Amino acid sequence: QVQLQESGPGLVKPSQTLSLTCTVSGGSISSGGYYWSWIRQHPGKGLEWIGYIYYSGSTYYNPSLKSRVTISVDTSKNQFSLKLSSVTAADTAVYYCARGSGWLLVYFDYWGQGTLVTVSS
Amino acid sequence: EIVLTQSPGTLSLSPGERATLSCRASQSVSSSYLAWYQQKPGQAPRLLIYGASSRATGIPDRFSGSGSGTDFTLTISRLEPEDFAVYYCQQYGSSPVTFGQGTKLEIK
Repeated sequence: QVQLQESGPGLVKPSQTLSLTCTVSGGSISSGGYYWSWIRQHPGKGLEWIGYIYYSGSTYYNPSLKSRVTISVDTSKNQFSLKLSSVTAADTAVYYCARGSGWLLVYFDYWGQGTLVTVSS
Repeated sequence: EIVLTQSPGTLSLSPGERATLSCRASQSVSSSYLAWYQQKPGQAPRLLIYGASSRATGIPDRFSGSGSGTDFTLTISRLEPEDFAVYYCQQYGSSPVTFGQGTKLEIK
């Protein structure tokens, strides 16, 4: 059973960079076949896809966030990470990591529990 | 990008009743690449349906998906108490993948 767990600061100051890591257990990122993803949910709102990465390092980002997003992978630690720069209060959300299944365009079959990140001074 | 509109916004039903949730796309979803998720308060979404009609592992057969093109439906044949939650559709037929705004299924 694949499990994902987000970690990182719960509070980030405006204009700084939000950094989160997702640790995967029960399966190896480097085995391929899946897209390791970040999705966020603003308080009381719907879901927004941020981007995903393949084990090879190929990345795919939502155009609406592309200029501020970097997703990276560390296969030796079975982790992948999100960096979102120049954050504002509008980036306050629950951030989920998830496994994407499919080819290039994916649905999400395993999710982490989510972590709330608040942007505030 | 494809905009998904879910209706109704809120659906009030009783256990044992049948629920029909709609997801309409602003343009055709290629290859019926549409998924449905269930989300309960304080929890991550759970995959129910992918490919418009394929149930995910461990999902009871009272959940079924149908549709193609721009119109998709999630049906719950007989509501159980644990089915009351928010449901989201998601298209993965074109980039960027997008989600609907959700339908809240509440106990009447």
